[in-house]
Amino acid sequence: DQQVKQNSPSLSVQEGRISILNCDYTNSMFDYFLWYKKYPAEGPTFLISISSIKDKNEDGRFTVFLNKSAKHLSLHIVPSQPGDSAVYFCAAGLQGAQKLVFGQGTRLTINP
Amino acid sequence: NAGVTQTPKFQVLKTGQSMTLQCAQDMNHNSMYWYRQDPGMGLRLIYYSASEGTTDKGEVPNGYNVSRLNKREFSLRLESAAPSQTSVYFCASSDWGSSETQYFGPGTRLLVL
Repeated sequence: DQQVKQNSPSLSVQEGRISILNCDYTNSMFDYFLWYKKYPAEGPTFLISISSIKDKNEDGRFTVFLNKSAKHLSLHIVPSQPGDSAVYFCAAGLQGAQKLVFGQGTRLTINP
Repeated sequence: NAGVTQTPKFQVLKTGQSMTLQCAQDMNHNSMYWYRQDPGMGLRLIYYSASEGTTDKGEVPNGYNVSRLNKREFSLRLESAAPSQTSVYFCASSDWGSSETQYFGPGTRLLVL
């Protein structure tokens, strides 16, 4: 049973436009969420996180939105740049559980 | 700071062979993790160690063993490799209690023939 799902395996966006990556989860007990970015032949790197007490967190060009009633989070990248081309993973966790559950990943391609 | 380091970077094994993947972190983190990444499956947790001296199973522990050698090092052992264990393996660490963020190593690509 996939507790965290990224239903779009890939996404293609034009440079300068907005990229929106989506993630759904099933466990309403999850209380924090993270996004990671992964380049080929490298390990995932942390991008941005959000606690369940918030509905938005912003860091430069990256904003994460959380809709707890819909069990949905999204990552917005504005404006998209060629260096944003990577695989993006969302992850969810429980305070005290000391582990994360990851989605399948979405490959984002930014076209010039 | 090197962060999280993993050795080897790449390994080819024959079915039935054994090997140990090494992981070390220099961030003084208390928690360490082993994941495998397969196409379309995301990152799946194999084992984790919440603190020195403890280890727990993750989502896909079968066929693997782990050792938390000390606070810095966490190794993953395949006793009898199978083709289904062909994957990319990532080690991660976190300072659980202060932050939920996990920091990943560069990965080990394993091919089992």
